Amino acid sequence: DTGVSQDPRHKITKRGQNVTFRCDPISEHNRLYWYRQTLGQGPEFLTYFQNEAQLEKSRLLSDRFSAERPKGSFSTLEIQRTEQGDSAMYLCASSLGVAPHTQYFGPGTRLTVL
Amino acid sequence: AQTVTQSQPEMSVQEAETVTLSCTYDTSESDYYLFWYKQPPSRQMILVIRQEAYKQQNATENRFSVNFQKAAKSFSLKISDSQLGDAAMYFCAYGGGGADGLTFGKGTHLIIQP
Repeated sequence: DTGVSQDPRHKITKRGQNVTFRCDPISEHNRLYWYRQTLGQGPEFLTYFQNEAQLEKSRLLSDRFSAERPKGSFSTLEIQRTEQGDSAMYLCASSLGVAPHTQYFGPGTRLTVL
Repeated sequence: AQTVTQSQPEMSVQEAETVTLSCTYDTSESDYYLFWYKQPPSRQMILVIRQEAYKQQNATENRFSVNFQKAAKSFSLKISDSQLGDAAMYFCAYGGGGADGLTFGKGTHLIIQP
C-alpha cells in the first residue's frame, strides 16, 4: 500500500535559510493539498493542485512560500528566508476526483526554525 | 468563510464505554461534506468517517457513528465500545462544494482510561 509520503520528516534550519519539502501523493490521485499545523491547532489549508495546475492559495501563503507540482505527480513546497513563525508541521494530502472527496494525509514534515 | 468549532479540548472515557465528541460549523452553502479525522500521537491523520450533507441518513463505520443535524449545523461523533487504540486527537473538518481545502476545528484530545 503506497500512501502519501513526505520527505524529510524533520527539518531544523536557521532563520533566513531556504527549505524545500517534497510530497508524493497516492499514484492515481489528481489533487494534492498542502496544509500547515501548529501545536494545539487543526491543520490550516495553504494551497492545492489539480494535476499540475495550482488552483487555490490561502492568504496564509505569503510571498516567501512557493509550491509546484511540475508533472502532476509529486509536489514541492519551498519556504524562502524562513522565520521562527514558520515552525510547524507541514502536511500533504491527496484525493481523487472532484472535491471534496476524501483526502488522504501523509505523515508530515516537522519544521523547526531556530 | 466557513468555520468549524470543537468545544471540547479534551475528553476522557473508560475503556468499553461510549463517548460523543461535539462539532458545530457555520456555512452558507447547501452542498458540502463533513469529516472526522483521527491523529494519533506522532502519527499521520486518518479518516474516521465522512458525511454528505445531502444525505439524511447518519454515516456509520463499525464502532463510529455520527449525529448529523443539518439545520442546527451540528456533526457529533459517537465512539462505542471505546478501545485503547482510539486514544488520539480527533478533528472535525468541513469540505465545501467547491474545490478548496478542508476547514478543520481545533481538535478534541480523547483519552481512554483502562
